[in-house]
Amino acid sequence: EVQLVESGGGLVQPGGSLRLSCAASGFNVSDNYINWVRQTPGRGLEWVSVIYSGGDTYFSDSVKGRFTISRDNSKNTVFLHMRSLRPEDTAIYYCARRMKTTISGVIIIPGIDAWGQGTPVTVSS
Amino acid sequence: DIVMTQSPRSLSVTPGEPASITCRSSQSLVHSFEYSFLNWYVQKPGQSPQLLIYLGSNRATGVPDRFSGSGSDTDFTLKISRVQAEDVGFYYCMQGLQTRYSFGQGTKLEIK
Repeated sequence: EVQLVESGGGLVQPGGSLRLSCAASGFNVSDNYINWVRQTPGRGLEWVSVIYSGGDTYFSDSVKGRFTISRDNSKNTVFLHMRSLRPEDTAIYYCARRMKTTISGVIIIPGIDAWGQGTPVTVSS
Repeated sequence: DIVMTQSPRSLSVTPGEPASITCRSSQSLVHSFEYSFLNWYVQKPGQSPQLLIYLGSNRATGVPDRFSGSGSDTDFTLKISRVQAEDVGFYYCMQGLQTRYSFGQGTKLEIK
């Protein structure tokens, strides 16, 4: 069974740092594209970052330069390293796997097929 | 970045009646295989989002056949043929064409 479990959220002061973890089971993070998506009542669902199986990483403009993403294949875990945190980073953070499907023998990746339960991050003094 | 726009923002439906949600993208979501990279998710109270429909019209594993997706290019629709009480929640469309995914604002489905 595919499962994603986030941890590491909490209360942090503006300008502070936090590391979120996403422990996967039922599949290998090294073979998949793992995202972080955050959710707030005001802005809804917002894609934050992704790490590709080959190691390439991408970020939304709102976090670029402040967040990094990495993984530990031996622990089957993906991390989101957040620094210079702002009040507007307050959200529930989900990790999520990009699905793979095959069309005419070609693997395509059309979206997300699995989500964790989320971990809350609050940036406030 | 692609902007996704959903409507309505909320709807209240009598059990057994149909429901429909539309999603429009700011640019075409058609991939080279002529599939549209549009997905639908439901987020039930207290839960994470769950995949309902991918590639515009393909039901995810375990999704009841009362859910259907249609559309292509920039205009898409999610239909529930007969709404049940368990369908309450927020419904989101999401484009998966670009690396930077983007979501619609969500539609709240309530039961009358």
